[in-house]
Amino acid sequence: EIVLTQSPGTLSLSPGERATLSCRASQSVSNNYLAWYQQKPGQAPRLLIYGASSRATGIPDRFSGSGSGTDFTLTISRLEPEDFAVYYCQQYGGSPLYTFGQGTKVEIK
Amino acid sequence: EVHLLESGGGLVQPGGSLRLSCAASGFTFSNSAMGWVRQTPGKGLEWVSTITGSSEYTSYVDSVKGRFIISRDNSKNTLSLQMNSLRVEDTAVYYCGRRVDQGRCFDIWGQGTMVTVSS
Repeated sequence: EIVLTQSPGTLSLSPGERATLSCRASQSVSNNYLAWYQQKPGQAPRLLIYGASSRATGIPDRFSGSGSGTDFTLTISRLEPEDFAVYYCQQYGGSPLYTFGQGTKVEIK
Repeated sequence: EVHLLESGGGLVQPGGSLRLSCAASGFTFSNSAMGWVRQTPGKGLEWVSTITGSSEYTSYVDSVKGRFIISRDNSKNTLSLQMNSLRVEDTAVYYCGRRVDQGRCFDIWGQGTMVTVSS
């Protein structure tokens, strides 16, 4: 099983600041099939990034993804009030086919 | 507008059965692989099952193999999950999602339906 470990668990920042979230895989993620999601309370996850670095439709360019192999990063260049949420990474290709990280909560400082 | 709407959740006793449905609209359903993902406070997000557009291939997480069956009716734009021999640990919010080939991830999600397995 490919285990995804996200860090930090919680990130306390102010609007306008830069957020850097990490997702580390226990084995190499095939074809960089690594996605990032945002989830707000009471809502379903929302796809932000796929293929490690491609933004999904309608996602603002302040969100960017990078990395390959086992180390991936989601960066939010300047936090907007609506960006405070929980973020998950997800990989495809291991066993089970899809696994998710445990999440990073970005909270208002 | 692309939309997914789950239904069928509820309270069921251990060992019981439940059938979840997901109604799709706004896209060509038969061209899209679909899946189910569940979420619990303790275990977070967990992939459950996926099915290809033509129903040719299905896959399951080990913990539900032999108990859950994913299916679809392309004539009705509907995805289903038949859940049998339910266990307390199956308690979760169940989301249906559209699986995109590019990126092998879920780009559209329903609002979720709660399944509670308890005596």
